[in-house]
Amino acid sequence: GAGVSQTPSNKVTEKGKYVELRCDPISGHTALYWYRQSLGQGPEFLIYFQGTGAADDSGLPNDRFFAVRPEGSVSTLKIQRTERGDSAVYLCASSLRTGRKDNEQFFGPGTRLTVL
Amino acid sequence: KQEVTQIPAALSVPEGENLVLNCSFTDSAIYNLQWFRQDPGKGLTSLLLIQSSQREQTSGRLNASLDKSSGRSTLYIAASQPGDSATYLCAVNSGYSTLTFGKGTMLLVSP
Repeated sequence: GAGVSQTPSNKVTEKGKYVELRCDPISGHTALYWYRQSLGQGPEFLIYFQGTGAADDSGLPNDRFFAVRPEGSVSTLKIQRTERGDSAVYLCASSLRTGRKDNEQFFGPGTRLTVL
Repeated sequence: KQEVTQIPAALSVPEGENLVLNCSFTDSAIYNLQWFRQDPGKGLTSLLLIQSSQREQTSGRLNASLDKSSGRSTLYIAASQPGDSATYLCAVNSGYSTLTFGKGTMLLVSP
């Protein structure tokens, strides 16, 4: 089966514009996670979904960031009024379940966002 | 708040050497720990997952150990190869499902 896929792979936008980043999780995985990785840093958690609902959105930096997963599969991360500081690689991961010690997360290739 | 530290930040070794990458975490109440590999410009590839009740996991030339009480994990790579060159990331799941990552160790294996 296919792994986690993310589109686009690269996105260049201008300051102030709106962007959407898409994630397709592994089929059958109920949990989906968004992380952000800045240059030279490890990924940082943004939000995670269990099914259609956001179980934890404590990592979203401000209200310009929003994510949805309307049918419990594909998720879209939305960023309004982009700023240069939003430039980073946005990583999506999925896992079969949560709350268990064998919960393994599988990552997609990421979307590199550049805000000019 | 969980914090994860990886030492060294970078490592350069000749091909064939055995090497150890270190990871430490501040809160020992974890569910599991994952080691990932990241190639330049790419996503993360899961290498090993160690559950909190386990002491070690092995996959091929890789062996990861976990000492939960002291907040430490090591990734041992045997007989390193140039293809092992990448950044290795350690991540801890503290039971809230999300992962807390270290900054990684950048490994270069020269032929």
